[in-house]
Amino acid sequence: AQSVSQHNHHVILSEAASLELGCNYSYGGTVNLFWYVQYPGQHLQLLLKYFSGDPLVKGIKGFEAEFIKSKFSFNLRKPSVQWSDTAEYFCAVNGNQGGKLIFGQGTELSVKP
Amino acid sequence: EAGVTQFPSHSVIEKGQTVTLRCDPISGHDNLYWYRRVMGKEIKFLLHFVKESKQDESGMPNNRFLAERTGGTYSTLKVQPAELEDSGVYFCASTQGLVTNEQFFGPGTRLTVL
Repeated sequence: AQSVSQHNHHVILSEAASLELGCNYSYGGTVNLFWYVQYPGQHLQLLLKYFSGDPLVKGIKGFEAEFIKSKFSFNLRKPSVQWSDTAEYFCAVNGNQGGKLIFGQGTELSVKP
Repeated sequence: EAGVTQFPSHSVIEKGQTVTLRCDPISGHDNLYWYRRVMGKEIKFLLHFVKESKQDESGMPNNRFLAERTGGTYSTLKVQPAELEDSGVYFCASTQGLVTNEQFFGPGTRLTVL
C-alpha cells in the first residue's frame, strides 16, 4: 500500500536549534517527493521537491531535504530555526507520472523565541 | 497571478443538510484536485480532474459526494446528505502539467457537520 509516515507529531524547539523532521514512504516505483508547509492562518505552500538528480535538495527559507532511496526516506532539515518557522509540515509523495499526492500525518513545529 | 481560491472558508451545517464547496483553480491549470483532512488525520486525496473529465476518483468516500467541473474551469464538491464524519477541511489544488509541476493549494474550506 502507498503511504507516508512522519515520525514526529509535534516538535518543540528553541530558536537557533537545528531541525530534522523524519519522513519515510512506501510506494512502488519511481517517486517524486515533496515537503509542504502550512503557516498559521495560511494555505499549504511548497517548501521543496525532489524529482531526480542530486538527492540533496534545497528549498525556500533555508530548508533542505535528502532523499535516501535505500531507506525510503526524505528527511527535512534546517540548521537553525527561527520563531517564524512555527508551522505544520507535511511530507508527500506521488509517482513519476505525477497525479495525486499521498501525505504524511503532518508535524507541528513550535519554535520558542 | 491569482492563486487557488475556495468558497466558503467555513461552513457549519446540520446532519442531513446539503453543502456545496467551490474551488477556482489558477487560470490555465488543467489539473484540479480535491483533498480532505479530517481532524487529527492526514490530508487524503478525493479526486482529480483533467479539464472537465474525472481522471481519478478513487478517493471519494461514498456516493454522497459529487464533484463537477463543468467547462473545465471552477469545480464544485457537493455533499448530500452530510454526515458527522464529513467534518474536516477540504482543500483544492491545481497544477498546469502533471509530472514536474507542483500542486498549488487553496486556503481550504472548513466544514463542520453538527
